[in-house]
Amino acid sequence: GNSVTQMEGPVTLSEEAFLTINCTYTATGYPSLFWYVQYPGEGLQLLLKATKADDKGSNKGFEATYRKETTSFHLEKGSVQVSDSAVYFCALSSGAGSYQLTFGKGTKLSVIP
Amino acid sequence: GAVVSQHPSWVICKSGTSVKIECRSLDFQATTMFWYRQFPKQSLMLMATSNEGSKATYEQGVEKDKFLINHASLTLSTLTVTSAHPEDSSFYICSAMPPLGHGYGYTFGSGTRLTVV
Repeated sequence: GNSVTQMEGPVTLSEEAFLTINCTYTATGYPSLFWYVQYPGEGLQLLLKATKADDKGSNKGFEATYRKETTSFHLEKGSVQVSDSAVYFCALSSGAGSYQLTFGKGTKLSVIP
Repeated sequence: GAVVSQHPSWVICKSGTSVKIECRSLDFQATTMFWYRQFPKQSLMLMATSNEGSKATYEQGVEKDKFLINHASLTLSTLTVTSAHPEDSSFYICSAMPPLGHGYGYTFGSGTRLTVV
């Protein structure tokens, strides 16, 4: 079955530091890959996505590249801000008519001034 | 863009009572909606897939009689937690997939924090 493994948190960074949150996946076929962000007390918001190998998703300074050879979709940001503090979830959808998402466990990021 | 509204955002109820959570797609029709449960510091676990006009499909281990799902229209799915107990306390989130060209992938509600006392 499908699975998503992302680095355990929590991650604490100083403002303007470089961020990497690792995500690897196991899936059959050609899944679509997503990063979602959850701010305290809120639901999930789509941050970025990639639908095929070598695609790069980007939004709000965050980037992730779909690497089929390493089955990875690591999230990066060059300079984090306090407002980026949230929980980040890596997820995949196997497609093929299925709308179900499989999520990683989430990584809590705290950015301190 | 596509918007999913979930209500209530939080609810406290007594053990043994039932609680209904609503999930509405505000500007699109959703034939399929999903219900997730999130435990503290853990990921989202898919509970069931809600299909308009037919029975919901439940994931393994989810009690159908405990978590009643009704998807009576193309814009509304409801989750009813029946005879709630403290172990049902959790964060419940719904999601829907807008039609192509109407939004950007899966759209999630803002979640419902259920506390059973």
